[in-house]
Amino acid sequence: DGGITQSPKYLFRKEGQNVTLSCEQNLNHDAMYWYRQDPGQGLRLIYYSQIVNDFQKGDIAEGYSVSREKKESFPLTVTSAQKNPTAFYLCASSIDSASYNEQFFGPGTRLTVL
Amino acid sequence: GNSVTQMEGPVTLSEEAFLTINCTYTATGYPSLFWYVQYPGEGLQLLLKATKADDKGSNKGFEATYRKETTSFHLEKGSVQVSDSAVYFCALSPYNTDKLIFGTGTRLQVFP
Repeated sequence: DGGITQSPKYLFRKEGQNVTLSCEQNLNHDAMYWYRQDPGQGLRLIYYSQIVNDFQKGDIAEGYSVSREKKESFPLTVTSAQKNPTAFYLCASSIDSASYNEQFFGPGTRLTVL
Repeated sequence: GNSVTQMEGPVTLSEEAFLTINCTYTATGYPSLFWYVQYPGEGLQLLLKATKADDKGSNKGFEATYRKETTSFHLEKGSVQVSDSAVYFCALSPYNTDKLIFGTGTRLQVFP
């Protein structure tokens, strides 16, 4: 089955700890994205990557970091500098970076910082 | 700048009722327009899209027409089902970029 996997589904961390969220795709897509979803605010773009070994900041990158060492993987680290990290995090991919392409989403990871 | 405005929810309907969820946008140039659906506890799925003016996207009985003159992309369905209960997101992708800009989402609740 082709698709995007995110793990874990639920994640709990203590305040001040860094945490890494996993995102893997086997769709052979070039572009990958991380979004944050908060109630009533829709989705906001954190980081995106159009190709391996390259990534750009989105609208709310502060307190987050990413890497893209392999085409199929795009992990997101939520650092202790992120002031309000509790949210639902969604990873997505698309075949390439053309504007008309569909983005395919993973099932999401709900992060709760205690 | 680029932005998407959706009607606030929740929208509450009885089964077989007609659905309209309004979406208007602001964009420079000619964006692509999308409707995504999110079922409880899941990620988003593409419902339909339109890439140029007057295009009509359709899927699973849902339709939306790209209206450049009114900068709108309203979602419609003639007869909703309980299984359509979800959150619906309107989104645009500006011309020549791969970014998606989302509206705040509209929750639809359909009762038997």
